[in-house]
Amino acid sequence: DAGITQSPRHKVTETGTPVTLRCHQTENHRYMYWYRQDPGHGLRLIHYSYGVKDTDKGEVSDGYSVSRSKTEDFLLTLESATSSQTSVYFCAIGRRTSDRNEQFFGPGTRLTVL
Amino acid sequence: SNSVKQTGQITVSEGASVTMNCTYTSTGYPTLFWYVEYPSKPLQLLQRETMENSKNFGGGNIKDKNSPIVKYSVQVSDSAVYYCLLVCGTDKLIFGTGTRLQVFP
Repeated sequence: DAGITQSPRHKVTETGTPVTLRCHQTENHRYMYWYRQDPGHGLRLIHYSYGVKDTDKGEVSDGYSVSRSKTEDFLLTLESATSSQTSVYFCAIGRRTSDRNEQFFGPGTRLTVL
Repeated sequence: SNSVKQTGQITVSEGASVTMNCTYTSTGYPTLFWYVEYPSKPLQLLQRETMENSKNFGGGNIKDKNSPIVKYSVQVSDSAVYYCLLVCGTDKLIFGTGTRLQVFP
């Protein structure tokens, strides 16, 4: 257990509404990640953070924004949700050494956009 | 460019041995991780493979750009999706699409 929680665990929303997903960690890791998981695509990186207020885009960042105002929280926001953003979202923390990056995942958030 | 490919699905009977491939293209010297996802549970790290310990990793050599995972005498409880993750450099992460292993009694 790497001390990662996600909230909410399930959410149903309507197209065009804003949605914010929260990832919380208790181990003070510098690196945090947001992924989405879809059939046929596997896990795809949306955004990641390498420190407070330091974030960067992943391969599927369009339509998403993130914020990291403190070490323990990494927020993923869908400014205007679309049906294509229906997915399962995973947060991860990264335990890094000089040349290794080991990741541990949260329980996931199932988001349905109607 | 960097990429990862995995076989989509493998179906076997209990007691069989299974090899799941992870074929990747990478510049430099990546680190490879294997994760497993059991139904209704978060991803779990299975193992990692680096250039240094590739000789101890059954079946594959990370220098050859294929790093399989081998499971011997599989059980029904091993049914899951197995993901290969390639980490290139410090922050480039590429997941494969996963191999769904189905084990029948």
